[in-house]
Amino acid sequence: QKEVEQDPGPLSVPEGAIVSLNCTYSNSAFQYFMWYRQYSRKGPELLMYTYSSGNKEDGRFTAQVDKSSKYISLFIRDSQPSDSATYLCAMSRTNAGKSTFGDGTTLTVKP
Amino acid sequence: DGGITQSPKYLFRKEGQNVTLSCEQNLNHDAMYWYRQDPGQGLRLIYYSQIVNDFQKGDIAEGYSVSREKKESFPLTVTSAQKNPTAFYLCASRQGPINEKLFFGSGTQLSVL
Repeated sequence: QKEVEQDPGPLSVPEGAIVSLNCTYSNSAFQYFMWYRQYSRKGPELLMYTYSSGNKEDGRFTAQVDKSSKYISLFIRDSQPSDSATYLCAMSRTNAGKSTFGDGTTLTVKP
Repeated sequence: DGGITQSPKYLFRKEGQNVTLSCEQNLNHDAMYWYRQDPGQGLRLIYYSQIVNDFQKGDIAEGYSVSREKKESFPLTVTSAQKNPTAFYLCASRQGPINEKLFFGSGTQLSVL
């Protein structure tokens, strides 16, 4: 079983919809939780970064971490066609030196 | 502009040939990473280096080799022992031991002729 499982998708939504992207994990030592956005054939870019539990908001994006359930989510409000991309969750332990990635969820926002 | 530069963007390998992918960063980051991405899949760690002249195997190191002679550079060699090398290769760097954020290059697509 993989340490990090991500909802596989693909996901297709109309413009303006609220999108929920989710990952579960098995390693309770994970403390850092990241969401990366990857456009087709490009390198991923960091979207959200959270340490330990709680919520973090940045514009239309909200990241939630529930360590008791080992579950993280990324919410996108008022989704735009430019949000169409693959979203990768990633997480790591303190001083681990490396991150573990989910397989990604491909999102398409239709105008 | 600070960033990570990967070259070439596309690379073709003949059977039995070794090829080297370049990764250079001017972010002054200590740690550097190589990931492999297959279609529809996430990132799998090949090798990483947290300091010059030191590197560790990741989850899929077989058939690959790296060197870290300079802080700025972390080249990846795909050897002939890697029987299924066709993939998108991504290089990344990280600021330091506490900061977990990765910065990625634009990737190299390697294909077998």
